[in-house]
Amino acid sequence: DTGVSQDPRHKITKRGQNVTFRCDPISEHNRLYWYRQTLGQGPEFLTYFQNEAQLEKSRLLSDRFSAERPKGSFSTLEIQRTEQGDSAMYLCASSSGAGNQPQHFGDGTRLSIL
Amino acid sequence: GESVGLHLPTLSVQEGDNSIINCAYSNSASDYFIWYKQESGKGPQFIIDIRSNMDKRQGQRVTVLLNKTVKHLSLQIAATQPGDSAVYFCAEIRYAGGTSYGKLTFGQGTILTVHP
Repeated sequence: DTGVSQDPRHKITKRGQNVTFRCDPISEHNRLYWYRQTLGQGPEFLTYFQNEAQLEKSRLLSDRFSAERPKGSFSTLEIQRTEQGDSAMYLCASSSGAGNQPQHFGDGTRLSIL
Repeated sequence: GESVGLHLPTLSVQEGDNSIINCAYSNSASDYFIWYKQESGKGPQFIIDIRSNMDKRQGQRVTVLLNKTVKHLSLQIAATQPGDSAVYFCAEIRYAGGTSYGKLTFGQGTILTVHP
């Protein structure tokens, strides 16, 4: 499978715990995006990388959220001191860097905060 | 403000009928539009895209129409099949020269149900 891969698919944790998600983009894609999706809504942009550089962060990304893409390949999204409101589907997408190109999504990590 | 929205939250059709899903956008600076299909428990799946210098684009069983005058986008699915049942989102990207860096802005979604 050469699509976008996310791990884990599901994460259940207690409020206050830290969680980390991983995204492996399509191998030749240099752009990587994180989105958050709640039930019944469309995905909302969180942050964007071009290669290893994080070029934009949404206001949705509070200080408890951090994302990295150290080698310009896979990316991690960490949430510290999780809160009930963090429960959502976290989606990763990637695209090639030549102008506007379609973003291809993984199947997401569903986070549930107890 | 800027938004991308859908006129109809649900659409039910019979198998074999044609489906039309509509979307309105408010940002006249948007230059790239994408339709996605999302099945339960999965991520959005790319269907078709269109750039603002076009008004129509066709794929396999799907056609996207763009009317920039009224800021309206539609997705037409021909001979709809039960496997087409899903939530459909339109999404926009503004000019790459802006601060959006290609981030997608999604609408709320339309639930398409196809009855056999």
